[in-house]
Amino acid sequence: SQQGEEDPQALSIQEGENATMNCSYKTSINNLQWYRQNSGRGLVHLILIRSNEREKHSGRLRVTLDTSKKSSSLLITASRAADTASYFCATRRGGGADGLTFGKGTHLIIQP
Amino acid sequence: SQTIHQWPATLVQPVGSPLSLECTVEGTSNPNLYWYRQAAGRGLQLLFYSVGIGQISSEVPQNLSASRPQDRQFILSSKKLLLSDSGFYLCAWSRPQETQYFGPGTRLLVL
Repeated sequence: SQQGEEDPQALSIQEGENATMNCSYKTSINNLQWYRQNSGRGLVHLILIRSNEREKHSGRLRVTLDTSKKSSSLLITASRAADTASYFCATRRGGGADGLTFGKGTHLIIQP
Repeated sequence: SQTIHQWPATLVQPVGSPLSLECTVEGTSNPNLYWYRQAAGRGLQLLFYSVGIGQISSEVPQNLSASRPQDRQFILSSKKLLLSDSGFYLCAWSRPQETQYFGPGTRLLVL
């Protein structure tokens, strides 16, 4: 079943603005990960946030996790044209070696 | 450092033909390995995962199978392809419960 659901499905902003994408999920999780995918390419890992963490930063990226609301957000500050891509959240259930459950993604377009 | 390879990069196959996609990982031992499929404009769906040689778990019933003949080799196969098997196939590796790292993917078109 589909676990993560990102919104919006598509987002277009001007270069230099901040971009915020949200992700909701349904079951309890061990961790949540955000990935970027450029058109027709593989996925690049951005950030992993564990269920006992609330916020994490990496460069221009900031991820929050609210386990009570079963939601996460990805903020990209000072966006650049190179940030144009699809962004996916993926959740990992606790226990075992089961894989990630992905949402459908947010397609982000940065206008120069 | 670890690297993950997939081949071929692109494949066009007729309906009913067999399939073999290969994934290999370098720079680590005993990784967890995963096969995902991405339909056009969609997120990824987990197909198979493996925690060791010969150990395969299937997530969804389908026309595909997976095998792990060596520690760092993961193969996705089909005896007879269907049109619905078209998609972008991604292999990934990870340590248990840690970040998954993805390969470059294989784009499969079944005609």
